[in-house]
Amino acid sequence: GAVVSQHPSRVICKSGTSVKIECRSLDFQATTMFWYRQFPKKSLMLMATSNEGSKATYEQGVEKDKFLINHASLTLSTLTVTSAHPEDSSFYICSAPPQGAWNTEAFFGQGTRLTVV
Amino acid sequence: QQQVKQSPQSLIVQKGGISIINCAYENTAFDYFPWYQQFPGKGPALLIAIRPDVSEKKEGRFTISFNKSAKQFSLHIMDSQPGDSATYFCAASINTGTASKLTFGTGTRLQVTL
Repeated sequence: GAVVSQHPSRVICKSGTSVKIECRSLDFQATTMFWYRQFPKKSLMLMATSNEGSKATYEQGVEKDKFLINHASLTLSTLTVTSAHPEDSSFYICSAPPQGAWNTEAFFGQGTRLTVV
Repeated sequence: QQQVKQSPQSLIVQKGGISIINCAYENTAFDYFPWYQQFPGKGPALLIAIRPDVSEKKEGRFTISFNKSAKQFSLHIMDSQPGDSATYFCAASINTGTASKLTFGTGTRLQVTL
């Protein structure tokens, strides 16, 4: 099946620094990618929809200046957590639907565990 | 507002038994209902999905039962195995092409014991 890869799989950063997470579709092109956040033992919460060549669409309550999203190519979207704080520690997951597929048929990456100390 | 309610929160089943996880939704416009399996430290993987024009879908040991009038759907895992131990999420969406978004349930942690 199609593969979506995230990098890094886990990262520890100091409070106040910025962290970039990459989401790549390895064997298909994706004009849309989704970024989710998952707290321990909780469900996935959609943060934003990343659109290739245009601005991301953020869900209500998600700070766009805090969580910068760039979708520079048809196979890569990045999420940058700026000025990270301990409360930003979480599991971040991306998903991508192949071009032509419905967004709900997206494949998920393996996730990135962010710990801010 | 939680649009997709999932129960139970956790479930322990003996090997060989049937695991049943239930979900209920509110928005009657939802037209796609997938189930995802997630292992610790990994992203979710699509297990099986159903559309509201059928009442049941079976793939191997996994079956979705769908009750449109009750706005409920459930996942049945037959002959549960220890390797099935994971967190399961139901989800729902309205497939409007590029505007589709998944709404996830709260998850069920399944443990299959020997």
